[in-house]
Amino acid sequence: DVKVTQSSRYLVKRTGEKVFLECVQDMDHENMFWYRQDPGLGLRLIYFSYDVKMKEKGDIPEGYSVSREKKERFSLILESASTNQTSMYLCASSSHQRSGTDTQYFGPGTRLTVL
Amino acid sequence: GNSVTQMEGPVTLSEEAFLTINCTYTATGYPSLFWYVQYPGEGLQLLLKATKADDKGSNKGFEATYRKETTSFHLEKGSVQVSDSAVYFCALGSNDYKLSFGAGTTVTVRA
Repeated sequence: DVKVTQSSRYLVKRTGEKVFLECVQDMDHENMFWYRQDPGLGLRLIYFSYDVKMKEKGDIPEGYSVSREKKERFSLILESASTNQTSMYLCASSSHQRSGTDTQYFGPGTRLTVL
Repeated sequence: GNSVTQMEGPVTLSEEAFLTINCTYTATGYPSLFWYVQYPGEGLQLLLKATKADDKGSNKGFEATYRKETTSFHLEKGSVQVSDSAVYFCALGSNDYKLSFGAGTTVTVRA
């Protein structure tokens, strides 16, 4: 059974803190994604990676960075957390096909609150 | 660019009622279309998909048909159960890695 895991289900941080969200997949997938989910806005893509050490900006990359040192692990970093980054963060992965038909597999999400 | 518009919720139904959630899209080329479902406390999972015009995706009693002429991919189920209570997302995939998601529709089914 396919598995995408995220390091925390709930996280509370203070404004200005550096925050790391970790995601691990066990499907040997090439592609990994970070989204944020906000009510009424659906899912918005922050960053994605199509290979180790490769990354591309999504639709809303400002205030975020990512790291992919190993194929199975993709980290989202908030360099200096702000209250408008309070959200649900979802990680996903998909296989190597650069194709719109590819199914993405999602982790359970991390609900981040920045105070 | 690509975009997806889906019916706003929330939608509340009684068990065994008919469910339809409208989804329309704007895209260049020949996108693939998806419905994902998010059960309470979980991440998203694929419900069904269709990769070309007139294809019908189906799973767990849900169906959706890719209609190019009306740029639509409406989700339907003939008889819902309490366990179908979830948030449903329509999504579009184009010739890159990315998916474009609709805003999501919250469905609550009452016994």
